[in-house]
Amino acid sequence: AQSVSQHNHHVILSEAASLELGCNYSYGGTVNLFWYVQYPGQHLQLLLKYFSGDPLVKGIKGFEAEFIKSKFSFNLRKPSVQWSDTAEYFCASPGADKLIFGTGTRLQVFP
Amino acid sequence: DAGVIQSPRHEVTEMGQEVTLRCKPISGHDYLFWYRQTMMRGLELLIYFNNNVPIDDSGMPEDRFSAKMPNASFSTLKIQPSEPRDSAVYFCASSLTAGGYNEQFFGPGTRLTVL
Repeated sequence: AQSVSQHNHHVILSEAASLELGCNYSYGGTVNLFWYVQYPGQHLQLLLKYFSGDPLVKGIKGFEAEFIKSKFSFNLRKPSVQWSDTAEYFCASPGADKLIFGTGTRLQVFP
Repeated sequence: DAGVIQSPRHEVTEMGQEVTLRCKPISGHDYLFWYRQTMMRGLELLIYFNNNVPIDDSGMPEDRFSAKMPNASFSTLKIQPSEPRDSAVYFCASSLTAGGYNEQFFGPGTRLTVL
């Protein structure tokens, strides 16, 4: 069965630090990958997505992710985080008609 | 488009009462999903519909939960009778086509508290 693993459950950073959140997926044919973000008290919204083409995907708010097929990974990065990036981040990949979400990574950024 | 609309935004009820959560998907979206989110269990998919037909309800926790989609613009999730362990945020999401290959748009959620 398709699965998504997020290694970091809780990450704490200071402002301006660099961020990398891990995501690994199990192979399931066509690879479509997503990162969603959930700000405190809000709903999930799309941060970026990879369907094909350039494996380095740029999303909103300075986030990017790199698809590495050989490692089955789709890690999320940001060179310099801000306090406003405090949120929970979910990696997701398709499973039949639905999305399989990872367990999420809670990011806290301190000023 | 107004996005996915959910009502109510907050619901406080007493154990044993019936609770009905409502969702209006984005117009033209063929797929509708109901999720539940708690601190303990994270984000769980309860059920999803394609063209108003339930496709997979394996995530519905027990018979107390039921969901319907009478038409393309409306879905309900009902809990009867409700229990304190049902307290959670319930999200509805919709997507244009095959749910795993297109972005899902989430509603604002309904925060349910069962006393």
